[in-house]
This record gives sequence, C-alpha cells and structure tokens, in this order.
Amino acid sequence: EAQVTQNPRYLITVTGKKLTVTCSQNMNHEYMSWYRQDPGLGLRQIYYSMNVEVTDKGDVPEGYKVSRKEKRNFPLILESPSPNQTSLYFCASSPVDRPNEKLFFGSGTQLSVL
Amino acid sequence: DQQVKQNSPSLSVQEGRISILNCDYTNSMFDYFLWYKKYPAEGPTFLISISSIKDKNEDGRFTVFLNKSAKHLSLHIVPSQPGDSAVYFCAASARFKNAGNMLTFGGGTRLMVKP
Repeated sequence: EAQVTQNPRYLITVTGKKLTVTCSQNMNHEYMSWYRQDPGLGLRQIYYSMNVEVTDKGDVPEGYKVSRKEKRNFPLILESPSPNQTSLYFCASSPVDRPNEKLFFGSGTQLSVL
Repeated sequence: DQQVKQNSPSLSVQEGRISILNCDYTNSMFDYFLWYKKYPAEGPTFLISISSIKDKNEDGRFTVFLNKSAKHLSLHIVPSQPGDSAVYFCAASARFKNAGNMLTFGGGTRLMVKP
C-alpha cells in the first residue's frame, strides 16, 4: 500500500530535550516536506526536500532541522524544543515534477512540549 | 499576513443539501488551487484542484469554482453526505516560482453534515 509513515503518533517532551520525528514513504517520491498545523493558521511549511541531499527552508524553519540521506526518509529534528513548537506535524511527499499539486500526507504527529 | 484565507471556521449543513466552502486569496501570482480534506487522526488527502486558466472543475459531487477577478474560490458539495464531515483546507500555488515552497494553505473549515 502506498503510504507516508510518521512516527511517533503522539509525543510529550520537555523543553530542551532533543527529539526526532521520523518520516518514510514507499512511493519513490523525490519531493518530501514537513508541515505544522495550528488552529486558524492551517498548514505551514517547515522544510522541504526536492531530492536526496537537497533541502531548503519553508515558511517557518526556525528551531527545526531536517536531513535527506535516503530518498525514502526525511526526519524532522528539534534540537532544543520549546513550548511554541507544540503542534500537529505532517510529513508529505509527491513526485518532483508536481511537488505542490498533489501531496500525499502522513497521519500526523501530535507533539506537546512542556 | 495570510495569503489564503478561509473566513468560516465551521459550517453545518443538512444531509442532501449543498455545502459551499469559500476561500479568498491575495497573491495574484497564484495560478493553481487545491482543496484537501482531513478527517480526525488522519493526514489531509487531495480532493480536487483547478488551474487559473479555468473557472470550474467538477469531479462527481465536488465542484470547484474560481473567480480570478475577485481572487475567490469555492468548493460545492452536492448532495452533502454525513461522510463528508471533515476539515477542508484550501491551498494555492504559484507554479512558475520556486516549486518547492509555494503551496500556501488556508486555515481550514470544519464541515458538519447532519443526517
């Protein structure tokens, strides 16, 4: 089954404790992206990657890091989480020729930073 | 400043009637528009899209209308079904620009279809 898999689904942590949210897709998509969803603000892009070893900032990259060492994986790293990073996070992927036209999303990771 | 706005946070409709979800945008560079649907505990899924060269696109019960002069688009669902109850996100893209960073989402509208 074609899918984007994120882990964990739920995560509660404390300020300053480094964490990683994993994302993997099995559709051989070149393009991958991370979004955060906040009430009233919709989805805002954090980082994206057009292919292996190619990453770039989205609209709200501060406090986040990503890496793209393999085509299928695109982890999101919070080196020192803060409470304002409490949010619902989504990973997405698509073919590179239409990166913003038909995204496939994971099921989300609800992060709470205390 | 939000470039894509969905001014109605929620909408309640009776089963069998029409649901109309609205979306406004401010960036005249946007040339492609999409609607995504999101159920609780799931990621958004693509629903329907429209290019700026068209003013209407239809897919079964779902029709998207685009009014470029008003910078407004709407999603019509006819007839509405209880299974349509979800959050709907409008999104816009300026495809000629940096393709990786130009899908802008609205804040979402929660649709509730009552049996």
